[in-house]
Amino acid sequence: GQQVMQIPQYQHVQEGEDFTTYCNSSTTLSNIQWYKQRPGGHPVFLIQLVKSGEVKKQKRLTFQFGEAKKNSSLHITATQTTDVGTYFCAANLNDYKLSFGAGTTVTVRA
Amino acid sequence: DGGITQSPKYLFRKEGQNVTLSCEQNLNHDAMYWYRQDPGQGLRLIYYSQIVNDFQKGDIAEGYSVSREKKESFPLTVTSAQKNPTAFYLCASRILAGSGEQFFGPGTRLTVL
Repeated sequence: GQQVMQIPQYQHVQEGEDFTTYCNSSTTLSNIQWYKQRPGGHPVFLIQLVKSGEVKKQKRLTFQFGEAKKNSSLHITATQTTDVGTYFCAANLNDYKLSFGAGTTVTVRA
Repeated sequence: DGGITQSPKYLFRKEGQNVTLSCEQNLNHDAMYWYRQDPGQGLRLIYYSQIVNDFQKGDIAEGYSVSREKKESFPLTVTSAQKNPTAFYLCASRILAGSGEQFFGPGTRLTVL
């Protein structure tokens, strides 16, 4: 079953604004991955976080891994229409399996 | 040009028929996965395989079957026992070492009429 909870499920953003999506687990995670799925497309890997408190940036995207390694967040600044899609977090389980969150679907108002 | 291919992109079947979805990768990846995606939901794992001739059930394996006779191929059969087969099916692969990044195919949208 799903081991990571992701909120919000939907995020409607005005172009140029910032937003954050959150991923939470009741158990300590070894690492967490983030994927983006454009409408009609397939998930594409964005990043993996491994260390407690880790922060990584990709242009306007900032990824954080909590100190307790039970939560993660993705923050997007100055949202653009190219940011439209669904963002998934995924936790690595044993046996090379990933447990995906339900995703945050982002729409952008121009 | 390496990658994962899934065919067909859209598939229609009558209720009660088995249907096999193909997944081929030329990335020389060890592990392969099948996920099901329903509207508004995340990806749910159906089956996965870490090595040829071996595979394991995921969270929602009932009504599905797989085979892994070749490293590059991991076909999924949706049987008539699957109660609600209409969904978007995604195949993925990864190397066993490294970051664990999974590479996804373009998906097959199956509609059972």
